[in-house]
Amino acid sequence: QKEVEQNSGPLSVPEGAIASLNCTYSDRVSQSFFWYRQYSGKSPELIMSIYSNGDKEDGRFTAQLNKASQYVSLLIRDSQPSDSATYLCAVNILDSGAGSYQLTFGKGTKLSVIP
Amino acid sequence: GAVVSQHPSWVICKSGTSVKIECRSLDFQATTMFWYRQFPKQSLMLMATSNEGSKATYEQGVEKDKFLINHASLTLSTLTVTSAHPEDSSFYICSARGFGRDEQYFGPGTRLTVT
Repeated sequence: QKEVEQNSGPLSVPEGAIASLNCTYSDRVSQSFFWYRQYSGKSPELIMSIYSNGDKEDGRFTAQLNKASQYVSLLIRDSQPSDSATYLCAVNILDSGAGSYQLTFGKGTKLSVIP
Repeated sequence: GAVVSQHPSWVICKSGTSVKIECRSLDFQATTMFWYRQFPKQSLMLMATSNEGSKATYEQGVEKDKFLINHASLTLSTLTVTSAHPEDSSFYICSARGFGRDEQYFGPGTRLTVT
């Protein structure tokens, strides 16, 4: 079964520190990777996408992808209390039954930034 | 860009009645729309996938006669919860994907309470 795995947390970091969120996936041929942020009681919001090996930076967020090791990570620099949320990793995985790629979500890592 | 709306944002209904939830892509054409359900403190659960003009594909365990999905246009999908019961009370979230794209954009969600 094709899967996306995340540590459920909670991950607690002090304000101003770097938060590191990790995700592993099982499908070697996946090509598209996303990070979503979900605040409590709200719907998920797309914050990062990455398609190539290496790092992609957007403001305080950096996504890292290593296809050989099948992991993708999200770093949040200078963490703020407003970053406290659940972060969902999503990977496009081939659904052989449907014959198409489906975005598969991990269960999410809850991040708490302590003031 | 990539804005998805849902209506209503919350609804209370009596047991045995039906409720319709609308999902609209406001600034792009959504060839595929997805419906999720999320119970408190739990992860997203995909209910069904719908392609414009086609019948929806339901996930295992989701009753297609109870959760009616219509995706009649490239900007609108509806979910009708028929004969709702208290156990159907949940947070229903739609997402949309444009043609040739991998990422999904989520609507703000609809909180359903069945009394």
